[in-house]
Order: sequence, then structure tokens, then C-alpha cells
Amino acid sequence: DAGVTQSPTHLIKTRGQQVTLRCSPKSGHDTVSWYQQALGQGPQFIFQYYEEEERQRGNFPDRFSGHQFPNYSSELNVNALLLGDSALYLCASSFYRGIGYGYTFGSGTRLTVV
Amino acid sequence: DAKTTQPNSMESNEEEPVHLPCNHSTISGTDYIHWYRQLPSQGPEYVIHGLTSNVNNRMASLAIAEDRKSSTLILHRATLRDAAVYYCILRANYGGSQGNLIFGKGTKLSVKP
Repeated sequence: DAGVTQSPTHLIKTRGQQVTLRCSPKSGHDTVSWYQQALGQGPQFIFQYYEEEERQRGNFPDRFSGHQFPNYSSELNVNALLLGDSALYLCASSFYRGIGYGYTFGSGTRLTVV
Repeated sequence: DAKTTQPNSMESNEEEPVHLPCNHSTISGTDYIHWYRQLPSQGPEYVIHGLTSNVNNRMASLAIAEDRKSSTLILHRATLRDAAVYYCILRANYGGSQGNLIFGKGTKLSVKP
């Protein structure tokens, strides 16, 4: 049973460019959440998608946007990249109404902005 | 969101038990206590969670104080592969749907051979 799959694993972009990261959730999960993790810090919540809608959002600017597809996979888009956007981007999947369940995380996409 | 407080780092010897503490004095009655760990160069991994009663699974045990203001993650026999950052997280329960995981800085556990 495949877990959460993220692509690409590494990415280098230039300041001002746009980037799209992709996530396939664990089989059976219906909710996808995105996190940003700077070096030496804990993951910071960006937003969560369920039923193709953004359900919750953390303290991130509108440059960060997302999408969820009917097959539950998701994309994270970041526009007008800044050097400070360099981080590990993590995708996590879960059951929306699964109080008794944990999140399953992918291994992340390492984004470097130069 | 309710906050948790954990020591920045802890050390353990291999094959000895490890008790990782977490304080959450502002926990609400419906918050679940979750523990995740993150090994180097990997995403976080679910360890265990509980509401009021102590919980056991194949990875660890979770001991929850009677007033729920603190909890302890117990690794019964630490191995070198348990060296990781351990996060204690309170997860809100919105009447059936789930709140998000709000990570703090966690406890970095080092295991000595």
C-alpha cells in the first residue's frame, strides 16, 4: 500500500518565478494538508483541502495557493518566489472525519530559491 | 490553538526506556494528544495519540495525566533508529472533523550506543 507520494523531490528556482508541487495521498485518504518546514524548525501549516475546497489555512500569504483534484491528489502553487520560500514542503494525507486516525506524511519536496 | 511545552533535547542509552514529557496546561476537553516523530531527512511519522486514557501500540506508550495537563511518551527500549525529533501536538476536535496539526519545536532525542 503506497503511502504519500510527493514530486519532485528536489527543485531549484529563481527568485520571482512560480513553482508547482504535487502530492498523491495515501490510498483511502480524502484530505490533504500542506506544510512548510524551514531548516531546524517544526513544520508550519499552510492549508488543508477536502472535497476540492480549502477548508483551513495557516498564516501564509496569497502567493501560496492550492488545488485538490477529484482523485484527492493535490497541488501547491507558490507565485513570485522569495529567497525565504526555500524550505522543505511536506504533504500529509488523512481522513477528514477520522478523529481516531493520524496523518501520513510524504518525504517532502526540497525547494531552493536562488 | 492550545500550546505544548517540551524540552529541547534529551539523551538516552540504547536499550533503555525513554520518557519524553509534554506539558499542555491549556488543553481543552475535546483536544486529542498526538505524538509524531521526524527522523533526519524524512517527513514526520505518526507515533501514537490519546484523549484521556493511557494508550499502547507497537511503537510506544502514551501516559496521560488525570487532569490532562501533561503527558509522557514512553519508548520501552530505545534503539539507534529512535533518534529523532519528537513532537507533542494537541489536535482540536470540531465535532467529528479534525483540526490541523500545529507543530512546535519538539524534543530532539539522541540515543547513545
